[in-house]
Amino acid sequence: SQKIEQNSEALNIQEGKTATLTCNYTNYSPAYLQWYRQDPGRGPVFLLLIRENEKEKRKERLKVTFDTTLKQSLFHITASQPADSATYLCALPRNAGNMLTFGGGTRLMVKP
Amino acid sequence: DAGVIQSPRHEVTEMGQEVTLRCKPISGHNSLFWYRQTMMRGLELLIYFNNNVPIDDSGMPEDRFSAKMPNASFSTLKIQPSEPRDSAVYFCASSPADAGGRYGYTFGSGTRLTVV
Repeated sequence: SQKIEQNSEALNIQEGKTATLTCNYTNYSPAYLQWYRQDPGRGPVFLLLIRENEKEKRKERLKVTFDTTLKQSLFHITASQPADSATYLCALPRNAGNMLTFGGGTRLMVKP
Repeated sequence: DAGVIQSPRHEVTEMGQEVTLRCKPISGHNSLFWYRQTMMRGLELLIYFNNNVPIDDSGMPEDRFSAKMPNASFSTLKIQPSEPRDSAVYFCASSPADAGGRYGYTFGSGTRLTVV
């Protein structure tokens, strides 16, 4: 069966360091992968999309990599700030359409 | 645009009662999705509409759940009768019609449903 795995344990890092979150998947051949941020009591917010033919994508302090051989995406936040504290979710399309299945998310805590 | 608007924000109801959740997608977005989020199961896709037509409702847990989209600017998710295990946060999301994944979803703020 299709599975998306994100580390369920919270990631605690010091302000200014780089946070790296992992998204692993099985039984998918995704054309793209998306990352979202969710704050408590709010809906997820779309951050980045990376396609299968893109190895890396950047947006300000965010960097996403996509390795279709390893079936893994890494999400990096450089120069992290306490305001980056949130839960980050990866999402993959279920099939050729645009229905997304979300991973369980990883909670990031950036301490000042 | 005010984004995806959901109402009510919170709903507390007694077991057996009917619950109706409402969603107004972003104008011009042709795709609408209903998700349910719990600690145990995360975000689960319930149903997907494209151009007001239900395309995939395989995530709807039981016949007690139904969803409609009578026009491009309004959708409802109804639970009748409600049960305590339906307690969750229900999200509505919309995106431009797309089969290539060029766009992300825009989520509403959710409805926190508690069935007692």
